[in-house]
Amino acid sequence: QVQLVQSGAEVKKPGASVKVSCKTSGYTFTSFSIDWVRQAPGQRPEWMGWINTDNGNTKYSQKFQDRITITRDPSASTAYMELSSLKSEDTAVYYCSKQLDSWGQGTLVTVSS
Amino acid sequence: DIVMTQSPDSLAVSLGERATINCKSSQSILYSSDNKNYLAWYQQKPGQPPKLFIYWASTRESGVPDRFTGSGSGTDFTLTISSLQAEDVAVYYCQQYYSTPLTFGGGTKVEI
Repeated sequence: QVQLVQSGAEVKKPGASVKVSCKTSGYTFTSFSIDWVRQAPGQRPEWMGWINTDNGNTKYSQKFQDRITITRDPSASTAYMELSSLKSEDTAVYYCSKQLDSWGQGTLVTVSS
Repeated sequence: DIVMTQSPDSLAVSLGERATINCKSSQSILYSSDNKNYLAWYQQKPGQPPKLFIYWASTRESGVPDRFTGSGSGTDFTLTISSLQAEDVAVYYCQQYYSTPLTFGGGTKVEI
């Protein structure tokens, strides 16, 4: 069955960067894009961007354009999302998703001094 | 950006009764070339990721009970739960995938 398993929770200081991994299994990795979505406590989900897992092309939300990098390693069936210049408002659960029809378990990123 | 607005914010429904959730987009999400509405509905329970329930506004994802029905076109959409069950208690989100950035509604909390 399709599985997306994300890396563990992170605590970061303001100004730092975080990199979250998303290891997939149960399907052909390069056949479906991976989206990254975050959700702050009590808030609606917020789409951050996606990557074409076949050719590596990316599309980012304008909101994160300057701070986000999404990459992938087809040999490991894994996608990554790196967010830099972290602020307290970036505290949220970060999800990866296979074209929004299957989701990882989420990674809590806490930004605090 | 396309703004998605849901109503109500929350609703309490008796077991076996109907629940209706509305979603409105700030512009049409009906793509003329394929006549499809680029709208999805998700269910989210506490501590879990969103779960895709309906796509193309009215197509149920595999395994979703047929008491869930999506309808609407253009800018106005509805998710109906025909006979609420205890396991349906959750927050429901609509989401458009017509254009980036993909955007979600504010959510509707369904309670018994």
